[in-house]
Amino acid sequence: ETGVTQSPTHLIKTRGQQVTLRCSSQSGHNTVSWYQQALGQGPQFIFQYYREEENGRGNFPPRFSGLQFPNYSSELNVNALELDDSALYLCASSLRVNYGYTFGSGTRLTVV
Amino acid sequence: AQSVAQPEDQVNVAEGNPLTVKCTYSVSGNPYLFWYVQYPNRGLQFLLKYITGDNLVKGSYGFEAEFNKSQTSFHLKKPSALVSDSALYFCAVRVSGYSTLTFGKGTMLLVSP
Repeated sequence: ETGVTQSPTHLIKTRGQQVTLRCSSQSGHNTVSWYQQALGQGPQFIFQYYREEENGRGNFPPRFSGLQFPNYSSELNVNALELDDSALYLCASSLRVNYGYTFGSGTRLTVV
Repeated sequence: AQSVAQPEDQVNVAEGNPLTVKCTYSVSGNPYLFWYVQYPNRGLQFLLKYITGDNLVKGSYGFEAEFNKSQTSFHLKKPSALVSDSALYFCAVRVSGYSTLTFGKGTMLLVSP
């Protein structure tokens, strides 16, 4: 079985630009969560999708948005990038909402 | 609101010695507790979890953790540390019925030869 795959692995963007990060869930997993891990910090919950619907959101502004597709892959979109958005973005998938999570290796976003 | 505290930024231990990485939590409701490990420039790897049942949980790579409800703790332990155990360790909690994981800030474990 495949794990969670994220792309790209690294990305550099300019302040004010928009970015899309992608995640392929582990086979059969219908729940996906996104986390932001700033340097030296633990991961912070951004939002979660279950069967293409957002069903939980952390303390992040609306310029952080997402999608989950019928094949359960997912996107994280961030508009109007700020320098503080520089972080490792982690995607995690789960078989069901209350099961354990499998994390991807993350996308390292640098905003300059 | 749920929270996790990892009181030590770094733990140093000699290879072959036992190790403990501390974690305390605060939740309203029954906690589900997790430990993850992160190697440089990598994502999180699952080590073990406590959902219910036996307070001593055994996980991957010889790690174990003990759930203590009265002390609201879930310390990670290993009887004999390896140099390859050196990494960043995260404790996480969520409440049963909810799926959001709340992480601690992490503890760097350094095992010296």
